[in-house]
Amino acid sequence: AQTVTQSQPEMSVQEAETVTLSCTYDTSESDYYLFWYKQPPSRQMILVIRQEAYKQQNATENRFSVNFQKAAKSFSLKISDSQLGDAAMYFCAYSGGGADGLTFGKGTHLIIQP
Amino acid sequence: DSGVTQTPKHLITATGQRVTLRCSPRSGDLSVYWYQQSLDQGLQFLIQYYNGEERAKGNILERFSAQQFPDLHSELNLSSLELGDSALYFCASSDPGANYGYTFGSGTRLTVV
Repeated sequence: AQTVTQSQPEMSVQEAETVTLSCTYDTSESDYYLFWYKQPPSRQMILVIRQEAYKQQNATENRFSVNFQKAAKSFSLKISDSQLGDAAMYFCAYSGGGADGLTFGKGTHLIIQP
Repeated sequence: DSGVTQTPKHLITATGQRVTLRCSPRSGDLSVYWYQQSLDQGLQFLIQYYNGEERAKGNILERFSAQQFPDLHSELNLSSLELGDSALYFCASSDPGANYGYTFGSGTRLTVV
């Protein structure tokens, strides 16, 4: 079974600084997808960024980018120019190539210090 | 608005009772997924339906069941409820290859008293 590990239960960063959230996963599949989801206090799950395993190029979405290391099974999220609205729980998630649902990590609580 | 609609938003019920949670997927999405989020278990995948057929099962209890109807909306039935079933239940939908990721509804907060 696939597992997703987020080793940082909580991270704190100053507003406008850069922060990196870590995620590792375990799978025997070669074709899969990785995601970062944001869950603010409203509890809504919001897709931040998506990476296909067959793509070597790291995904970027505005201030959000990933460092995808397939051999190391690592998928970290970098948030540049942190803003107060980035404060939330961030979940790393894995999905097999068959789009058969997401396996989530336990999440990282990101605090933005003004 | 994500395009995935879940009702009701909140539900309070007594132990031993049965409830039904409803989900309408985003227009065009054939797959519906149910997840449970609790403080002790985190986010857990329960079950997936694709175009009316059960596609994958996760950590779903035997007391729980789901179905997807011809109009693609889905219902999650929870019976013989226990205090430990109190959680946030999410529905998500995706296109067949999840090319656009999984879109989540706003969830149903279930409280069992």
